[in-house]
Amino acid sequence: DAKTTQPPSMDCAEGRAANLPCNHSTISGNEYVYWYRQIHSQGPQYIIHGLKNNETNEMASLIITEDRKSSTLILPHATLRDTAVYYCIVRNSGGSNYKLTFGKGTLLTVNP
Amino acid sequence: NAGVTQTPKFQVLKTGQSMTLQCAQDMNHEYMSWYRQDPGMGLRLIHYSVGAGITDQGEVPNGYNVSRSTTEDFPLRLLSAAPSQTSVYFCASSDRESGGYTFGSGTRLTVV
Repeated sequence: DAKTTQPPSMDCAEGRAANLPCNHSTISGNEYVYWYRQIHSQGPQYIIHGLKNNETNEMASLIITEDRKSSTLILPHATLRDTAVYYCIVRNSGGSNYKLTFGKGTLLTVNP
Repeated sequence: NAGVTQTPKFQVLKTGQSMTLQCAQDMNHEYMSWYRQDPGMGLRLIHYSVGAGITDQGEVPNGYNVSRSTTEDFPLRLLSAAPSQTSVYFCASSDRESGGYTFGSGTRLTVV
């Protein structure tokens, strides 16, 4: 699976949009981009995933560049409860898609 | 639906003792995995299963055994606990399609 690069930490003001970047320059054609978050001491929580089109759900939006080498997770109106470590993961859609490889993620701190 | 249920939530073991961490899911997911998370680190895959009767090793399998006799259950056995196995353990499940993994709330294990 392709490796991902994320900034170690980011800050965001409450009520503003949080834009979390992720680089995955070695992503292959059948690999999806997944985002998870982990609020302190809890299990990771699935947020969203996409292949090449932009995706939106009730939690967030995922913007994937046309060359698929990077993506941005957008939390449109961050709240204090969105403070968490956010993981960007590339997952194979084929035979080995049962594996998730976690990096160190981005610690997003939402400030009042 | 209960999702992924892990028991116990907390456990203290003495070096050399054995125990089983329980994981059960009620979503009829084919894929199940065990991860450990150490302070300041991301999650590391211990063992995984792609279906009943099928298991395989992940990144850090030494000292752990698993079995998958049913779709619902995926217990993790510590054969002879060591202080290096002090960690938080997460179980997760997913369906075969490219959906997100659902994680349990974790088992916090201390080996003294």
